[in-house]
Amino acid sequence: DTGVSQDPRHKITKRGQNVTFRCDPISEHNRLYWYRQTLGQGPEFLTYFQNEAQLEKSRLLSDRFSAERPKGSFSTLEIQRTEQGDSAMYLCASSGQGATYGYTFGSGTRLTVV
Amino acid sequence: TQLLEQSPQFLSIQEGENLTVYCNSSSVFSSLQWYRQEPGEGPVLLVTVVTGGEVKKLKRLTFQFGDARKDSSLHITAAQPGDTGLYLCAGDFYGQNFVFGPGTRLSVLP
Repeated sequence: DTGVSQDPRHKITKRGQNVTFRCDPISEHNRLYWYRQTLGQGPEFLTYFQNEAQLEKSRLLSDRFSAERPKGSFSTLEIQRTEQGDSAMYLCASSGQGATYGYTFGSGTRLTVV
Repeated sequence: TQLLEQSPQFLSIQEGENLTVYCNSSSVFSSLQWYRQEPGEGPVLLVTVVTGGEVKKLKRLTFQFGDARKDSSLHITAAQPGDTGLYLCAGDFYGQNFVFGPGTRLSVLP
């Protein structure tokens, strides 16, 4: 297993365009998380899946954001009608179940909206 | 909304010095984790602490969880340039996900 993979690593898009990011978690992990991180800040929680069920969404996740994990394996995060304020690092993490399981993060997708 | 504070925000020290960084909250954690993040990469888990008063050691790093489970510290002995990075604490407030602090940015100069 090569860990958590995210694609693409970098994305530059024009304001108003839609973008989609993909995350492939560690295969035996049933939990998958999306976080967003801006410069100088810690990661902020966006949403969380257990298997294919989306169990929690942050208020940060506006109507323009949608996430899916259709078969409980990979996940996608789509941002519609991007705004400059969406520019950030989007991090995906996976974990097993239980209080002592840490997150394994991917390397992130750096989004720049111009 | 649970809030995690970390101090100091920035720390620049010489190789060989010792340092301690702190993570605090007004709420009780069910568990707490420390991560290190390098530029352009995702955070990497260092340790998970669960029991109040727990102390864990990882080579030159010592992690302590406060008795009241509202605070934690990370102590590095004889810092090396390879320790440079953003140190993040993340607390589980009996929810389904971890809340991250803003981090302490450490720079160890050779």
